[in-house]
Amino acid sequence: LAKTTQPISMDSYEGQEVNITCSHNNIATNDYITWYQQFPSQGPRFIIQGYKTKVTNEVASLFIPADRKSSTLSLPRVSLSDTAVYYCLVGLIPPPRFVYKIIFGKGTRLHILP
Amino acid sequence: DTAVSQTPKYLVTQMGNDKSIKCEQNLGHDTMYWYKQDSKKFLKIMFSYNNKELIINETVPNRFSPKSPDKAHLNLHINSLELGDSAVYFCASSQDAPIQYFGAGTRLSVL
Repeated sequence: LAKTTQPISMDSYEGQEVNITCSHNNIATNDYITWYQQFPSQGPRFIIQGYKTKVTNEVASLFIPADRKSSTLSLPRVSLSDTAVYYCLVGLIPPPRFVYKIIFGKGTRLHILP
Repeated sequence: DTAVSQTPKYLVTQMGNDKSIKCEQNLGHDTMYWYKQDSKKFLKIMFSYNNKELIINETVPNRFSPKSPDKAHLNLHINSLELGDSAVYFCASSQDAPIQYFGAGTRLSVL
């Protein structure tokens, strides 16, 4: 599984756009990039997943350059409720029976200020 | 309806006791997981079951024994609890995609 590196923490202000970048230099051809969000005292929650270029959903956008060695999670106009830990995950084990072993890194602790 | 539910939410117990945590998912998924999140917030997979069959068994003391009576349930039994077992335990489920749905967690405190 490809190792990921992301900033330990980030601060931003309400209304700003926040970009969190994740490095994954050893990403394999079949690997997908997935981001999870975890609020205090809750389990991680899937945000977005992509393979290349750009993916957008109602929560965030994911930008992946052509070499796929990094990815950037973009949160538009953040609010205080976006304060959470954000995990970047890379990997896709070909499932013998569709079991996915996800390796969580340390994540990025995002703190939104008023 | 909560998709992945765990009980209890909090568990405080003495060293040496045996305790169980239950997990149920109503998503119709075939695969369920147990994770442990320690005080440093590292989230590590412990076990995974697919259709009641054990698929992933990480390096976990054999005091931890998962049981899956059916594909909607995955329980975790812990024998002879130790101080180092104190953590938040998360259950998750998935179906044919590397997207897992997590429960709210069970905070275990061993005194």
